Amino acid sequence: DAGVTQSPTHLIKTRGQQVTLRCSPKSGHDTVSWYQQALGQGPQFIFQYYEEEERQRGNFPDRFSGHQFPNYSSELNVNALLLGDSALYLCASSSELAGTFYEQYFGPGTRLTVT
Amino acid sequence: AQKVTQAQTEISVVEKEDVTLDCVYETRDTTYYLFWYKQPPSGELVFLIRRNSFDEQNEISGRYSWNFQKSTSSFNFTITASQVVDSAVYFCALSEAGYSSASKIIFGSGTRLSIRP
Repeated sequence: DAGVTQSPTHLIKTRGQQVTLRCSPKSGHDTVSWYQQALGQGPQFIFQYYEEEERQRGNFPDRFSGHQFPNYSSELNVNALLLGDSALYLCASSSELAGTFYEQYFGPGTRLTVT
Repeated sequence: AQKVTQAQTEISVVEKEDVTLDCVYETRDTTYYLFWYKQPPSGELVFLIRRNSFDEQNEISGRYSWNFQKSTSSFNFTITASQVVDSAVYFCALSEAGYSSASKIIFGSGTRLSIRP
């Protein structure tokens, strides 16, 4: 039973560019949440997707957008990259259908470096 | 507003010592979940424990134990007889148990624990 997977593992981009990060939830999970973890900080909630719609959003600008596909996988897009976007991006999945919404499983993360 | 405070930024102890990581939280909800996660250098968050706000029983799992006190809004984590493998960053976190699934998790800033041989 595969856990949460994320790709790519590492990414280096230049200021102003756009980036797409991908997440596949744990088997049986239908909800995906994204978090940003800056160096030396705790993860911060970006947004959550369920039934292909954004359900909750943290305090992040519109440059951060996402998508959820019918197979529950998700993408995080960041436009007009800033140096401050350099961070570890974590994806977490959970199951609305099973009612175990409090059990969020985290993936290994994608480390984004903006130069 | 929800908030989690981990006042200890870094702790360093010698192997086999006991160590307690402090966590204080704020929430206006009466129903919520508290968590501890471990983050080794690899970066992946490893789930350690979850408690709901109605269960104040302390819990012990091997060398790990957790002390939940609603009266002081604290959820402290103790490692007994620490080992070098316990070295990691530990995060305390809070999630309000809203009407919908997977309410966002609010993390503290973490405590970096170093166990010296």
